[in-house]
Amino acid sequence: GENVEQHPSTLSVQEGDSAVIKCTYSDSASNYFPWYKQELKKRPQLIIDIRSNVGEKKDQRIAVTLNKTAKHFSLHITETQPEDSAVYFCAASIGGSTLGRLYFGRGTQLTVWP
Amino acid sequence: NAGVTQTPKFQVLKTGQSMTLQCAQDMNHNSMYWYRQDPGMGLRLIYYSASEGTTDKGEVPNGYNVSRLNKREFSLRLESAAPSQTSVYFCASSQLAGGTDTQYFGPGTRLTVL
Repeated sequence: GENVEQHPSTLSVQEGDSAVIKCTYSDSASNYFPWYKQELKKRPQLIIDIRSNVGEKKDQRIAVTLNKTAKHFSLHITETQPEDSAVYFCAASIGGSTLGRLYFGRGTQLTVWP
Repeated sequence: NAGVTQTPKFQVLKTGQSMTLQCAQDMNHNSMYWYRQDPGMGLRLIYYSASEGTTDKGEVPNGYNVSRLNKREFSLRLESAAPSQTSVYFCASSQLAGGTDTQYFGPGTRLTVL
């Protein structure tokens, strides 16, 4: 099956700085790459996703880039705020089958210091 | 809409006891999932149901059984609980099968096995 690796496991930044989280995947057939944010003691929630026919996607302060050749994708958060502090999970999916499923990375604990 | 609901929120079991975790969604989604979350391990898929009437194993199915009771409900059963099953359990649902669209998570069940 697919293997998703996520780095770093922890990240601390000053408010206003940028944060970058990187993920690699193993199966070149993967074609859907979502990012989930989980605040302390809360449920994971989708914040942005990208499909393999797109190289970059942006939503306000959040952007995701995808490099299919290198099999890696990254989450970029600009102008970080304390409320961005959370655990972020990347995931990958091989679509095209009803048996497909998401494979999650192990998560990155982001702390934004005021 | 309540989205995805789970019961109970907290549970303490003794080794060898059994219990069923309940999950329901009111979004008319086709696919439902059970994950466990342990510190530093991300979200690991236990079982999923691509559509009503079907279930498939994820990456950590041992010690668990599931039932897709109808389109709305997907339950997870621990027949003989073990301390290694101490975890936070999340149910999720999505409109499409194949893991290529947004998954909506429930609030989680915190299970401790003594």
